[in-house]
Amino acid sequence: TQLLEQSPQFLSIQEGENLTVYCNSSSVFSSLQWYRQEPGEGPVLLVTVVTGGEVKKLKRLTFQFGDARKDSSLHITAAQPGDTGLYLCAGNAGGTSYGKLTFGQGTILTVHP
Amino acid sequence: NAGVTQTPKFQVLKTGQSMTLQCAQDMNHNSMYWYRQDPGMGLRLIYYSASEGTTDKGEVPNGYNVSRLNKREFSLRLESAAPSQTSVYFCASRGGGYNEQFFGPGTRLTVL
Repeated sequence: TQLLEQSPQFLSIQEGENLTVYCNSSSVFSSLQWYRQEPGEGPVLLVTVVTGGEVKKLKRLTFQFGDARKDSSLHITAAQPGDTGLYLCAGNAGGTSYGKLTFGQGTILTVHP
Repeated sequence: NAGVTQTPKFQVLKTGQSMTLQCAQDMNHNSMYWYRQDPGMGLRLIYYSASEGTTDKGEVPNGYNVSRLNKREFSLRLESAAPSQTSVYFCASRGGGYNEQFFGPGTRLTVL
């Protein structure tokens, strides 16, 4: 069974601060995704990374896939209250996994004005 | 284009009651999934359907059954609800080149 350990579980910061969320596993993933979820709604895909060492940027969000494709990070620069939400990483093993995803436990981010 | 829809949005059951959660997608996706979300545990896969006519167990299938009615619809049934099944349930379908999943708005289920 593949596991994804996500940390920290909670983050409470002030507007303008930077933060990093980590997602680690002992297993190799063919791709890794980051989702954001707001209260009362389903997760929404932010990004997919597929190549070891890959870095993708989405405005103030930077996503990195580890060289060995076992870990990933999400860095937010100058956080804003609108970034508040639950962030989830999810890995896909590829092959005959039929697109099944293994999710991390999630990081609840609160950005205070 | 509604994406993934789920009904009901909220449900309260008594222990031992049964119910079916409905899910439908209009994106012509082959694969569909049912997850449950509990605090501090992310999303855990209950059952999935790789294509119309096939279903298979996920990580936490006990106490649940599913039906892939057609390509659009994938339902989840609780035959005899237990308090441990109190959770938020999400349906998803898969599309795109890298297994992106698209989620419905969820069903919040409480079993008393």
